[in-house]
Amino acid sequence: GESVGLHLPTLSVQEGDNSIINCAYSNSASDYFIWYKQESGKGPQFIIDIRSNMDKRQGQRVTVLLNKTVKHLSLQIAATQPGDSAVYFCAEMNFGNEKLTFGTGTRLTIIP
Amino acid sequence: KAGVTQTPRYLIKTRGQQVTLSCSPISGHRSVSWYQQTPGQGLQFLFEYFSETQRNKGNFPGRFSGRQFSNSRSEMNVSTLELGDSALYLCASRVRGALETQYFGPGTRLLVL
Repeated sequence: GESVGLHLPTLSVQEGDNSIINCAYSNSASDYFIWYKQESGKGPQFIIDIRSNMDKRQGQRVTVLLNKTVKHLSLQIAATQPGDSAVYFCAEMNFGNEKLTFGTGTRLTIIP
Repeated sequence: KAGVTQTPRYLIKTRGQQVTLSCSPISGHRSVSWYQQTPGQGLQFLFEYFSETQRNKGNFPGRFSGRQFSNSRSEMNVSTLELGDSALYLCASRVRGALETQYFGPGTRLLVL
């Protein structure tokens, strides 16, 4: 079903530290997941994706972990920088319909 | 390469009016999707157009409609506006079948008074 954003969790991390953002997805049939970053006044920006046949995928300073057993997705950002401050959304999809369902979002604030 | 552009960026309307928002996709992207973003409901999928045909639809009332032109540009229309339609409306374009290529525009912020 559609995601309902009742509350936006927040996470504050010291610059240079690693951060982990978590997401619980709703549909066990989802087979593709994306993390997006949204900065103030901008549209969401693709960060990294993962298919359901994978447990982990790494990008530049980012790693996504997928645990299908508990329907959990996480985004790890290494060595955080001030530019990482944004709202981060996970999104899930089934390849059958290509319709993205977004999670609530987490606001990440990097403390200088 | 130019990004996704949306016009207008800001709009104020009153209840009962209708509104048309426009989206120009990235060159070569033929799939255009629309999303509504509100503080209460988050980001919700409205519909997707590809080759001038609606391919997917979210759970929104019939007051929300859209269309796509032969040059892949898309418009969405909301009729009989309600206060709850106040939101940021985002358009995203991509190569269909490749969601990793999806890019969002900056959005149109609609305020209904």
